[in-house]
Formats: sequence, structure tokens, C-alpha cells
Amino acid sequence: AQSVSQHNHHVILSEAASLELGCNYSYGGTVNLFWYVQYPGQHLQLLLKYFSGDPLVKGIKGFEAEFIKSKFSFNLRKPSVQWSDTAEYFCAVNIYGNNRLAFGKGNQVVVIP
Amino acid sequence: GAVVSQHPSWVICKSGTSVKIECRSLDFQATTMFWYRQFPKQSLMLMATSNEGSKATYEQGVEKDKFLINHASLTLSTLTVTSAHPEDSSFYICSARVAGRRYQETQYFGPGTRLLVL
Repeated sequence: AQSVSQHNHHVILSEAASLELGCNYSYGGTVNLFWYVQYPGQHLQLLLKYFSGDPLVKGIKGFEAEFIKSKFSFNLRKPSVQWSDTAEYFCAVNIYGNNRLAFGKGNQVVVIP
Repeated sequence: GAVVSQHPSWVICKSGTSVKIECRSLDFQATTMFWYRQFPKQSLMLMATSNEGSKATYEQGVEKDKFLINHASLTLSTLTVTSAHPEDSSFYICSARVAGRRYQETQYFGPGTRLLVL
């Protein structure tokens, strides 16, 4: 079964710092990749997704992610975070042609003003 | 677009009672919806895939007689936790799949339902 790894569950940083969250998956075939964000008290929202094409994907709120097939990775980045980026971030993967989404354990990000 | 709602947002019930949770796609039709469970400080675990007009597909280890799923219309799926016990207390989240190009579909999530069984 596919698995999704997110490291450094808790991340604390100051405003204007850069953020990078790692995501690695175990499946060797074609995959679709997603990052979701869950702000405090809110539901999961889609940040960005990759299906095919340009491996550098730009999402909402200044986030971007890069798919590196050789490393089975889909890392999320934001050059300069804001306090409002405090949230939990989940990487999710589904195998091409399969309904199921496999989630990583999430990264709890706290941005200190 | 792609808004998914859940009702109720939270529920407290006595052990042995059944609880029904509704998941609705508000501005699109969803032939497929999904039910997840999220434990504190853990990730989402897929429980089952709900298919409109047919039986749900349950993940390994999920009791289908305990977690009854009905997807009677293109905008509504329900999850009924039957004879709930304290260990069923959790955060239940549904999602709906928005149709896209073949094999390129996105799931949008509801706000979740927090269940507490006393």
C-alpha cells in the first residue's frame, strides 16, 4: 500500500521566514499529488495539486510545490510566511486511476508574529 | 464552487444509540463521496468510499455493519454510526469528488462532525 511521509510534525517560525514542508510517498507509478491546509477550527482546504505537466505548481496564498519524480517528493514552500499561515498542512497522494487519497500525518505550523 | 457541508457539526450521544451524519455537495453533483476518520493529532484515515446508487466500499478493518453508508442522491451521502460506543468518539470528515479529466479528480472536504459518545 502507498504511504505518505511528512517529517517535522511541529514547525515554529517567525513572520517573514521561509517555509518548506517535505512530503515523500512510496508508490512507484503515476500519482496525483495534493497539499491541503486546515486552519484552526476550519475544514480542509485545497492549497494546490499536481496532475501532470510543469512539476512546479503554484497554489493559493503564495504557496508552491515542486514534484521531483526521482525523489518521490512533493515539497511545499512559501518564501515569506505570515501569522495567518498558522495551520496544519497535509500532503495527500492518490494513485492514478484509484479513488483513494492517502494522507501524511500533517505538519502543524505555528507562525509567531 | 466545490462546497461540501456536513451536519451536524458536533454531536454528543449515549452509548448504544445510533447517530446519523449527513454530507452534502452544495454546488455540484458528486457520484462519489468519501468518509474519513481523524484521531487527535493524527492524519485522516479513509473509512469507506460512497458510490451513488450502489453499495459503499469499505476499507480493511472498518465494520460495514457498524458504519452504515447510504448515498441515495448525487448530492447527499449519510454515515450512520450504529450502537455507538465511546471508542467511536472521533472526528468524522466527508469529502466529495469533483469530476475532472479522467484520473485527474480532486476531493473537496466538509467541515467535519465531532462525535462524542458517553
